[in-house]
Amino acid sequence: SQTIHQWPATLVQPVGSPLSLECTVEGTSNPNLYWYRQAAGRGLQLLFYSVGIGQISSEVPQNLSASRPQDRQFILSSKKLLLSDSGFYLCAVFRDRGPRGYTFGSGTRLTVV
Amino acid sequence: GQQVMQIPQYQHVQEGEDFTTYCNSSTTLSNIQWYKQRPGGHPVFLIQLVKSGEVKKQKRLTFQFGEAKKNSSLHITATQTTDVGTYFCAGPNAGNNRKLIWGLGTSLAVNP
Repeated sequence: SQTIHQWPATLVQPVGSPLSLECTVEGTSNPNLYWYRQAAGRGLQLLFYSVGIGQISSEVPQNLSASRPQDRQFILSSKKLLLSDSGFYLCAVFRDRGPRGYTFGSGTRLTVV
Repeated sequence: GQQVMQIPQYQHVQEGEDFTTYCNSSTTLSNIQWYKQRPGGHPVFLIQLVKSGEVKKQKRLTFQFGEAKKNSSLHITATQTTDVGTYFCAGPNAGNNRKLIWGLGTSLAVNP
């Protein structure tokens, strides 16, 4: 079965600092991977998705970027964080077996100060 | 654009009462999915409904997909404190079925 690893669990970063969040998936090959952000008490906003190595689709213009250097690795980055980048960042993989849907990582709670 | 609307936004119940959340799509969906997010946690897939008029049960949870495949509901019978969380529905984007359009969720609080 697919498992998804995401770290760190929490992060406090100053405004203007860089960011790198990593997500890795096991138990599947050539997965569709997603980065979501969730503001406190709000819904899920799709930031990026990737259907393969080096293939990134950006859903919302913003201060963030994503990369997929390996088949099962998805990275979310920023060169300079803004206060508005605070939120709960979730990586997800689209399940290609059984009921279609997403498996989410445990998330990174980012606070920009 | 394509939208999925969910009501109510919040619901507060006494333990043992029933709870229902409703999901309405602006377009016909090929399937609808439900997720639960516990406070402080990440969304967890509950179920996928595919067929028109489909009804599925998971213990005290009953999921329905409307005949027109544009609406869905989740009903919880005799809520427990373990049911606390936010329930999201989501349907495939019409242009890319591996992207989901999400409702904003219904947050359920249960008083013991």
